[in-house]
Amino acid sequence: GDSVTQMEGPVTLSEEAFLTINCTYTATGYPSLFWYVQYPGEGLQLLLKATKADDKGSNKGFEATYRKETTSFHLEKGSVQVSDSAVYFCALSDQGGTYKYIFGTGTRLKVLA
Amino acid sequence: EAEVAQSPRYKITEKSQAVAFWCDPISGHATLYWYRQILGQGPELLVQFQDESVVDDSQLPKDRFSAERLKGVDSTLKIQPAELGDSAMYLCASSPRTDSYNEQFFGPGTRLTVL
Repeated sequence: GDSVTQMEGPVTLSEEAFLTINCTYTATGYPSLFWYVQYPGEGLQLLLKATKADDKGSNKGFEATYRKETTSFHLEKGSVQVSDSAVYFCALSDQGGTYKYIFGTGTRLKVLA
Repeated sequence: EAEVAQSPRYKITEKSQAVAFWCDPISGHATLYWYRQILGQGPELLVQFQDESVVDDSQLPKDRFSAERLKGVDSTLKIQPAELGDSAMYLCASSPRTDSYNEQFFGPGTRLTVL
């Protein structure tokens, strides 16, 4: 079945450092891809999405490009802030008819001042 | 800004007891999802509704879990009896319709602790 693999955390960075969180997927067809963020004590919020190959999703300085050839959707940000500390989830929308989400295990990011 | 509402936010219960969680999706959203998120893992779908109909409950442990959305609006997820392994965050989400491009909007979740 479909699956999503994320790099293990936690990832600890200093403020203004460059961030990459790797995400690869296995799916039949051409799923839509998403990054969600979960701040402490809160639900998940959509960060960005891409619906077809070579699409680039971007929001709040984060971006990710849908790479069909490498089945990847890596999250990047050029300069992280303390407020970016959270858990980041990569997800795909299953093409099997119900379009349910398949999530990765999440990557915890901690940004130090 | 419209939000998905869930209650309670926290629930502590003893094993073998019954628990129930409530979710009110964003107004007009036809699709409603219940997820279970075990600590340190990603959310896993338990049940998906399209209006009042279940369209996917393949991962719902039907011997103890039940879910309903009687009027196609709010929804209740029940566990009876609760087991220690049910301790997790239970997330509700909604979307305007079911297709590949749709963002799902998540509520704050209910954290369940089974003692």
